[in-house]
Amino acid sequence: GENVEQHPSTLSVQEGDSAVIKCTYSDSASNYFPWYKQELGKGSQLIIDIRSNVGEKKDQRIAVTLNKTAKHFSLHITETQPEDSAVYFCAARSPYNQGGKLIFGQGTELSVKP
Amino acid sequence: GAGVSQSPRYKVAKRGQDVALRCDPISGHVSLFWYQQALGQGPEFLTYFQNEAQLDKSGLPSDRFFAERPEGSVSTLKIQRTQQEDSAVYLCASSLGTSGARSYNEQFFGPGTRLTVL
Repeated sequence: GENVEQHPSTLSVQEGDSAVIKCTYSDSASNYFPWYKQELGKGSQLIIDIRSNVGEKKDQRIAVTLNKTAKHFSLHITETQPEDSAVYFCAARSPYNQGGKLIFGQGTELSVKP
Repeated sequence: GAGVSQSPRYKVAKRGQDVALRCDPISGHVSLFWYQQALGQGPEFLTYFQNEAQLDKSGLPSDRFFAERPEGSVSTLKIQRTQQEDSAVYLCASSLGTSGARSYNEQFFGPGTRLTVL
């Protein structure tokens, strides 16, 4: 079945620096790749997503890149702020999974130091 | 409050007890998903409903796990004869549908129920 690997598991950056989180997926049929931010006591929030017909997508300080050939996608956060501190999860979805279940990576705990 | 809600937020059970976890999806959302998240791991799919129909239960780890959504809105995940390995956060997510624009595909997650089995 589909497998998603995420690295690194923890990431510490200084405020204002950039942060990059990388994921690889195994199912070449996967065509939708969301990123979720999970904070203690809150539901996981979708922060950005990308479809397989696009190589890059940007939303203010957040961007995602997708390399379909390498089955690899990355989250880029620029000008990090302390409120960006959270656990981030990448996920992949195959069109052949009924209902669109998401396969998640293991998560990256991002810490932004003021 | 238009988000996904779950109750209880925390549940402590003795091994062997039965538990029931509730999910109230966003009104009008057709699709409902349950995920299990072990400590330090990503969420893992358990089961999927389209309205009241359970179309995929391939992720349920054993026959002790049972989910239902009888009227196509509220869903309950039941775990019988709980074991220590069932300790995890159980997440519910809903979406408008399963195809088309992002607005239909985006899964909105609830805060989860943290289950601890002693």
